[in-house]
Amino acid sequence: KAGVTQTPRYLIKTRGQQVTLSCSPISGHRSVSWYQQTPGQGLQFLFEYFSETQRNKGNFPGRFSGRQFSNSRSEMNVSTLELGDSALYLCASSLELGGASTDTQYFGPGTRLTVL
Amino acid sequence: GENVEQHPSTLSVQEGDSAVIKCTYSDSASNYFPWYKQELGKRPQLIIDIRSNVGEKKDQRIAVTLNKTAKHFSLHITETQPEDSAVYFCAASEEGNSGGSNYKLTFGKGTLLTVNP
Repeated sequence: KAGVTQTPRYLIKTRGQQVTLSCSPISGHRSVSWYQQTPGQGLQFLFEYFSETQRNKGNFPGRFSGRQFSNSRSEMNVSTLELGDSALYLCASSLELGGASTDTQYFGPGTRLTVL
Repeated sequence: GENVEQHPSTLSVQEGDSAVIKCTYSDSASNYFPWYKQELGKRPQLIIDIRSNVGEKKDQRIAVTLNKTAKHFSLHITETQPEDSAVYFCAASEEGNSGGSNYKLTFGKGTLLTVNP
């Protein structure tokens, strides 16, 4: 199976702009999570989507939003970009067939966002 | 919410030596603890995970131990090789209820492991 893919891989924006990042999960995976990775803060959870619904949300401002489509592909949007939003944005997918066990999350290669 | 502390932040060992990375967590409800390896410029990859119903798990040169009472878990790498050099992240999560998981991973800040030939 193909792995998790993310587009674009690199993005340069200026302050005040908005950006949309895309994530295609492994085929059959139903859950998609998004993380922000920076040298100072490490990997921080943004939100998780399952069956087109946001199930979990991290501690990020409302400028960060996302959605999931019926084919499990997900997008995240950041509006009114700030310099501090420069980071590697990773998405991860997991199977989530149900039950009480947490399924392994498989990460995509990430989108490197630079805000000037 | 959950808070995960990871130590040390950097670790340098000689090839063939063992390496140990330790993490503590704050939420007693957490019961899933994965470890990820991230090589420079690459995505994090799961190397081993442990659930709260076991105290130790081993996979070849890698082992993880969990002490739920003390709320800490550790990664042990034996016979280290230069290709083990990477950043290692621990994480903690509360498992979901039946019918579908409902969780988020809280990561430690990472440990840069350097294995010197």
